[in-house]
Amino acid sequence: AQSVSQHNHHVILSEAASLELGCNYSYGGTVNLFWYVQYPGQHLQLLLKYFSGDPLVKGIKGFEAEFIKSKFSFNLRKPSVQWSDTAEYFCAVKSAGNTGKLIFGQGTTLQVKP
Amino acid sequence: EAGVAQSPRYKIIEKRQSVAFWCNPISGHATLYWYQQILGQGPKLLIQFQNNGVVDDSQLPKDRFSAERLKGVDSTLKIQPAKLEDSAVYLCASSQTTGARTDTQYFGPGTRLTVL
Repeated sequence: AQSVSQHNHHVILSEAASLELGCNYSYGGTVNLFWYVQYPGQHLQLLLKYFSGDPLVKGIKGFEAEFIKSKFSFNLRKPSVQWSDTAEYFCAVKSAGNTGKLIFGQGTTLQVKP
Repeated sequence: EAGVAQSPRYKIIEKRQSVAFWCNPISGHATLYWYQQILGQGPKLLIQFQNNGVVDDSQLPKDRFSAERLKGVDSTLKIQPAKLEDSAVYLCASSQTTGARTDTQYFGPGTRLTVL
């Protein structure tokens, strides 16, 4: 069965620190990859997505993610976090040809200290 | 563009009671999803509709959960009777179509259900 693993459950950083959140998936075929973010009190929002082409994907608010097929990974990065980045981050995968169902990781809570 | 609407936002019930949630997807979106998100976990798909037909309900506990999308727009998800382990946030999402590789799902605010 397909699965998504997010290695960090809770990350605490100071403002201006660099961020990298790990995401690994288990599926050998073509995949579409997503990062969603949920700010406190708000709904899940799409941060960025990878469908094909350049494996380095840029999203909103300065976030980027790199798809490394050989490592089955899609790690999220940001060079300098802000207090407003405090949120929960979810990695999700959709395998090509399936019904469109997203398989989510368990999420990573990011707390940025001012 | 209006987003996915859900109601109610919060619901508290006792076990063995019934409850219903409502979702209105983004206008023009053919596909509608219901996810269950238990505290500390990522969302898990319960059921997926393409227009008013069910595409995937393999993880829906059909002995107690039911869902419908009669006119291919709004949808309701019902739990009857509720169990303590049904306490979760129920998320509705919609997308333009199911089969396109570039299809993206947009989520509503969710309904937080507490079963006492």
